[in-house]
Amino acid sequence: KAGVTQTPRYLIKTRGQQVTLSCSPISGHRSVSWYQQTPGQGLQFLFEYFSETQRNKGNFPGRFSGRQFSNSRSEMNVSTLELGDSALYLCASSRTGDRENTIYFGEGSWLTVV
Amino acid sequence: GDSVTQMEGPVTLSEEAFLTINCTYTATGYPSLFWYVQYPGEGLQLLLKATKADDKGSNKGFEATYRKETTSFHLEKGSVQVSDSAVYFCALIQGAQKLVFGQGTRLTINP
Repeated sequence: KAGVTQTPRYLIKTRGQQVTLSCSPISGHRSVSWYQQTPGQGLQFLFEYFSETQRNKGNFPGRFSGRQFSNSRSEMNVSTLELGDSALYLCASSRTGDRENTIYFGEGSWLTVV
Repeated sequence: GDSVTQMEGPVTLSEEAFLTINCTYTATGYPSLFWYVQYPGEGLQLLLKATKADDKGSNKGFEATYRKETTSFHLEKGSVQVSDSAVYFCALIQGAQKLVFGQGTRLTINP
């Protein structure tokens, strides 16, 4: 059974550009969430989607956005990139997002902003 | 808001030593608790979980017990191996898919 797949794995962008990251959840999983991991702030929740609807959002500026498609695949977008956006972006999926469900993470997308 | 506090790292042990990584939480309700592990250059892997008080999660020789009275979920392993070297994260979840993580504890096991 395939795990959570994230693409691209590594990317380098310039300040002011935008970036789109993609996530394919485990088959049958309808809840997808995104996290940012940095050495200074640790792991922080970005947002969560279920059946194409955003149910929960973390404390990030509006430059960070996401969406989920009807096949449960998800994308997140960061516009007007800043140096501080350099991070590992992790996608996670679970069946319904309920607290009893196991949450599985992908390998992450390493974003470097120069 | 909800929060998780882990013992400061890094932690360095010799192979076959006993491991404890402390984790305490603050939450208004009754969260589910998790330990995740992150190997170098990789994403997070679920190590174990517990969904209610007094539950014990276990996997690969690691154990943690959900202690509601002390709001703790300490990770233990009786005999660590070099391959256990990684960063360990304690986390909780309440409501819809919003994990709250501790700051992580880097563990290094020397042969």
